[in-house]
Amino acid sequence: HLVESGGGVVRPGGSLRLSCVASGFTFGDYGMSWVRHVPGKGLQWVSGINWNGNLIEYIDSVKGRFTISRDNAKNSLFLEMHNLRAEDTALYRCAKSNYDTESTPTYGMDVWGPGTTVNVS
Amino acid sequence: QSVLTQPPSVSGAPGQRVTISCTGTSSNIGAGYDVHWYQHVPGTAPKLLIHGNFNRRSGVPDRISGSKSVTSASLDINNLQAEDEADYYCQSYDTGLSGGVIFGGGTKVTVL
Repeated sequence: HLVESGGGVVRPGGSLRLSCVASGFTFGDYGMSWVRHVPGKGLQWVSGINWNGNLIEYIDSVKGRFTISRDNAKNSLFLEMHNLRAEDTALYRCAKSNYDTESTPTYGMDVWGPGTTVNVS
Repeated sequence: QSVLTQPPSVSGAPGQRVTISCTGTSSNIGAGYDVHWYQHVPGTAPKLLIHGNFNRRSGVPDRISGSKSVTSASLDINNLQAEDEADYYCQSYDTGLSGGVIFGGGTKVTVL
């Protein structure tokens, strides 16, 4: 299971820190991702991190503003978001890579959390 | 606009077959990157149905199947049932300007 927290309402230019706590699998064995969903606009992969945190990827629109990290000892994934924009408004979910350890999900994402809502307005 | 193109909606009567296409380019599907398919019922978390173009996840009925050609992929749902009504997304990887993990725009499947 994955459970996210940390979302909320924030003004443009503000910051939020999202957390995702994992259970039921060996967290440190898998790559992890953050995926956001804007109703009516579909899914968008935001960022991914490999098993030990040494490889990280972001989409261009969040580079320099968002930072992904993980703490394997605490089975936790994080997304630090700064300089938030209206277009960042979405439901943010963490997702586990299916099978692999990499920063991008080579075999898809097989476990997803229910999400936490970020509203920038 | 998504790099992977899906039809916005498809529909069918119970028992019929529907096909959802996912059209890419030479920088994603055409470059050999695998396609994965998700089912998303609004209000719940997305569910991985197919990984690696055609590999059905455990628990996914065999009336659901995936395939891939040169620059496109398809998800077939045979013997359509009421529980199949959901949004479906394809996902791959792109090396072009929109590089990285990419999703299609999603297809709403309606069971008539």
